[in-house]
Amino acid sequence: KAGVTQTPRYLIKTRGQQVTLSCSPISGHRSVSWYQQTPGQGLQFLFEYFSETQRNKGNFPGRFSGRQFSNSRSEMNVSTLELGDSALYLCASSLSIVANEKLFFGSGTQLSVL
Amino acid sequence: QKEVEQNSGPLSVPEGAIASLNCTYSDRGSQSFFWYRQYSGKSPELIMSIYSNGDKEDGRFTAQLNKASQYVSLLIRDSQPSDSATYLCAVRPPDDYKLSFGAGTTVTVRA
Repeated sequence: KAGVTQTPRYLIKTRGQQVTLSCSPISGHRSVSWYQQTPGQGLQFLFEYFSETQRNKGNFPGRFSGRQFSNSRSEMNVSTLELGDSALYLCASSLSIVANEKLFFGSGTQLSVL
Repeated sequence: QKEVEQNSGPLSVPEGAIASLNCTYSDRGSQSFFWYRQYSGKSPELIMSIYSNGDKEDGRFTAQLNKASQYVSLLIRDSQPSDSATYLCAVRPPDDYKLSFGAGTTVTVRA
């Protein structure tokens, strides 16, 4: 069974640009969560989607947005990039009807903002 | 106060010893607790979940939960060099669709 797939693996952008990250969950998983990981802040929750609905959102500015498609694939968008957005962005999927139970993480997208 | 706090480490243990990792959480109503292992440059992987007070054993790993003290721990018995990683404690607050993670404890097992 294929794991969680994130693309691209690496991204280099400049300040002010926007970026879209993609995540394909494990087959059958309907919950997709996004996390930002930095050395200083650790893993910070961005948002969670289930059946195309955002059920929870973390404390990030509105520049961070996401969506989920009918096939459970999810995208995350960051507009007007800032230097501080440089981080590893991790997507995780879950089978459980209760969100975020037993998360399975993808390999992440390493975003560098110059 | 952070939602989930862990000993920052690093924790260095000799091969064959027991590594003990601690985690406390702030929301008394939390019901689900997890330990994830993250190797350098890799993504976190789930190694233990625990929902009830007491101990839960899985191979060389034992998770311990004490809801009254808002404390969860992970013991790694017979530590191996392959156990060298960062261990993340995660807690799901009640009525919430997210996991709150601790900052992680880095464990180094000396051969």
